[in-house]
Amino acid sequence: DGGITQSPKYLFRKEGQNVTLSCEQNLNHDAMYWYRQDPGQGLRLIYYSQIVNDFQKGDIAEGYSVSREKKESFPLTVTSAQKNPTAFYLCASSRGAEQYFGPGTRLTVT
Amino acid sequence: QQQVKQSPQSLIVQKGGISIINCAYENTAFDYFPWYQQFPGKGPALLIAIRPDVSEKKEGRFTISFNKSAKQFSLHIMDSQPGDSATYFCAVLIKAAGNKLTFGGGTRVLVKP
Repeated sequence: DGGITQSPKYLFRKEGQNVTLSCEQNLNHDAMYWYRQDPGQGLRLIYYSQIVNDFQKGDIAEGYSVSREKKESFPLTVTSAQKNPTAFYLCASSRGAEQYFGPGTRLTVT
Repeated sequence: QQQVKQSPQSLIVQKGGISIINCAYENTAFDYFPWYQQFPGKGPALLIAIRPDVSEKKEGRFTISFNKSAKQFSLHIMDSQPGDSATYFCAVLIKAAGNKLTFGGGTRVLVKP
């Protein structure tokens, strides 16, 4: 089954802790993306990567970090510097213009 | 800097009716205009998309109309069904910027049976 996997579906953390969200794809796509979605709002781009070992900041990269050591994997770390980390995080991948999304991880920080 | 304005924010339509969602953009350099459908708690799914050299594209009950001069594009859902109840997002993409998508704010559609 080809697709994008995000784990876990729900994640709870205490304020001040870093947390890493997983994103894996077996679609053989070169590009991968991380978005944040807040209730009732659209998606905002955090980071994206077009090839292995390279990534660029999106519109709201502050407080986040990523790595792209393998084509299939693009983990996102939400650091303690992110002021409002509670949100729904979505990973996507693409070859060309069409982006395909994973099921998302809902992160709650208290 | 908001590049895509989507309206309305919410929409209620009777079963069998037509749902119309509009998006306006500010930059003429966009290469691709997709629409995504999202159900609660799920990731968005690509529904239909259009390129700027085409004025209309139809796939089943879904149609995109594109007006390049007005910098607007819209999604029409014909014969709306309760299963179409979801949030719809328009987006714009610039290939030269790494295929970055910028999304509209979303429209929550409720189809009443």
